[in-house]
Amino acid sequence: ETGVTQSPTHLIKTRGQQVTLRCSSQSGHNTVSWYQQALGQGPQFIFQYYREEENGRGNFPPRFSGLQFPNYSSELNVNALELDDSALYLCASNRDASNTGELFFGEGSRLTVL
Amino acid sequence: DAKTTQPPSMDCAEGRAANLPCNHSTISGNEYVYWYRQIHSQGPQYIIHGLKNNETNEMASLIITEDRKSSTLILPHATLRDTAVYYCIVRVVHTGNQFYFGTGTSLTVIP
Repeated sequence: ETGVTQSPTHLIKTRGQQVTLRCSSQSGHNTVSWYQQALGQGPQFIFQYYREEENGRGNFPPRFSGLQFPNYSSELNVNALELDDSALYLCASNRDASNTGELFFGEGSRLTVL
Repeated sequence: DAKTTQPPSMDCAEGRAANLPCNHSTISGNEYVYWYRQIHSQGPQYIIHGLKNNETNEMASLIITEDRKSSTLILPHATLRDTAVYYCIVRVVHTGNQFYFGTGTSLTVIP
């Protein structure tokens, strides 16, 4: 158990809809990262939040956005869903954005877009 | 970050050592080697990381060649629960949490 919890675990949406995924980080961790994992692929970095601000972003369009709250929990929002957005979305936390790089991942939210 | 090359799949007999290779011939002097694994339907799990010296922890050993162009993750006594996809990643420390996972090596431990 990593202490990182994500919700919902599974959900189904249709093209064009919007989705919000949630993550509670491990106690004491102030940095949250989000990854997208398509079937058969490794996780791909979406962005990270440190002290409520985005401070790193991968190659994802602006319709992928996020928030981090004062308690360090986080949300991932995806607008105008496309079929290719179907994936496992992983949240990871750690103590500091500049640490040695050991990430603690949640179990993920599996999104299916029809 | 430098990219890595791993075999797509490997088998290992239960109880034997599993040796997972990784090639990172373009690694820079300030890049570390990390290993994560992902058991089916779970989030990735950190295993170990190192710069140039060999490292060992309760899960595994990491052997890095002297020229740092390749490394080997060793699971000394593989169990069925070690069946997973293993990712070798190189990256600069203190650059946030952006990791390039690639497709990894799918290790199957056989009874």
